[in-house]
Amino acid sequence: QKEVEQDPGPLSVPEGAIVSLNCTYSNSAFQYFMWYRQYSRKGPELLMYTYSSGNKEDGRFTAQVDKSSKYISLFIRDSQPSDSATYLCAMSAVAGANSKLTFGKGITLSVRP
Amino acid sequence: GAGVSQTPSNKVTEKGKYVELRCDPISGHTALYWYRQSLGQGPEFLIYFQGTGAADDSGLPNDRFFAVRPEGSVSTLKIQRTERGDSAMYLCASSPTGGNSPLHFGNGTRLTVT
Repeated sequence: QKEVEQDPGPLSVPEGAIVSLNCTYSNSAFQYFMWYRQYSRKGPELLMYTYSSGNKEDGRFTAQVDKSSKYISLFIRDSQPSDSATYLCAMSAVAGANSKLTFGKGITLSVRP
Repeated sequence: GAGVSQTPSNKVTEKGKYVELRCDPISGHTALYWYRQSLGQGPEFLIYFQGTGAADDSGLPNDRFFAVRPEGSVSTLKIQRTERGDSAMYLCASSPTGGNSPLHFGNGTRLTVT
């Protein structure tokens, strides 16, 4: 079993839909949780960075962490065609410059106009 | 300012050859990471530098892989006797020292071993 499991894709939704992306993890040492967006042929770009259990909102994006269930989610409201990309969850046990990220497999999202 | 720069963006080489992949981190970032991303997978950690020294090289798959950062800035990932299984996207990331700074990734070098 991998340390981080991400829901398989691909996922296709109509423009304006609410999208829910999820990851589960098995390592209790993970304390820091991130969501990255990766466009084709580009490097991952950080979307959200959270530490504690609960919700964190940034514009149309909400990250949710439930440490007791070892489960994290990313919600995208009013999805746009420009949101079409691969979304990767990532986790680490240590913050900042000493962090070593463990990534999920990624899920490819397509938002249809 | 400029982001993390990786060169070349694409590299095609024959099995058995030696390759070097270069990473220019964001100016002033002392931490530098190499990750490898196979098709359809998330990035996997290879090695982490803090300054000039490799603080953690536990992700390097075998002794054909080696990385250096002689002056604490630019880093080179070196792969000897390349194999077809080495074909992947090689990503470099950097971050400032300390705090909760996230990693800033470059656009990677896509390596194809034929």
